[in-house]
Amino acid sequence: DQQVKQNSPSLSVQEGRISILNCDYTNSMFDYFLWYKKYPAEGPTFLISISSIKDKNEDGRFTVFLNKSAKHLSLHIVPSQPGDSAVYFCAASSSAGAGSYQLTFGKGTKLSVIP
Amino acid sequence: GAGVSQSPRYKVAKRGQDVALRCDPISGHVSLFWYQQALGQGPEFLTYFQNEAQLDKSGLPSDRFFAERPEGSVSTLKIQRTQQEDSAVYLCASSLGVGLYNEQFFGPGTRLTVL
Repeated sequence: DQQVKQNSPSLSVQEGRISILNCDYTNSMFDYFLWYKKYPAEGPTFLISISSIKDKNEDGRFTVFLNKSAKHLSLHIVPSQPGDSAVYFCAASSSAGAGSYQLTFGKGTKLSVIP
Repeated sequence: GAGVSQSPRYKVAKRGQDVALRCDPISGHVSLFWYQQALGQGPEFLTYFQNEAQLDKSGLPSDRFFAERPEGSVSTLKIQRTQQEDSAVYLCASSLGVGLYNEQFFGPGTRLTVL
């Protein structure tokens, strides 16, 4: 039972255009959401996050949107650059529970930015 | 500054062998997490340490998996009597503090292949 779902395994975008990566979640206890970027043979690196009290967070070329009623979030990258080519993981965490603040990840979306 | 390091980077084991995977977190980081990433999947939580205390081991898949962090810094994940389904990348992450908004920094992972 996947609690965080990324339904697009891959996405190809032209350089300079917008990349939109989508993520859905089922656990209503999640109240903090993150995007991680992963290059081959490296660990995931933090990209951007959003708390459930917000609906948008922006950091340079990266913006994350959260729609709590739809349990949906998206990552927008504008403009896309070839160096953005990587696997992007959506992750979620909860302030409730045992207190480990573990991350629950989706399966990832492989983004390819074509020069 | 040094990030999270893991050793070995690659490990091949015969079915039934015991393995030990090491994680060196960022110096001074209180929280340490272990995740398992199977091929084509996102990382899945295994266990969490706050200093030397293992506060959450709800993700460990069986009693063949054991983790320790005796002095609150280096951690070891041990898998006894390895099985083919244990083949995965094992990721270690550390964060400075405790709580929802503490960024988790990931190591490069150890790729375990069980033959």
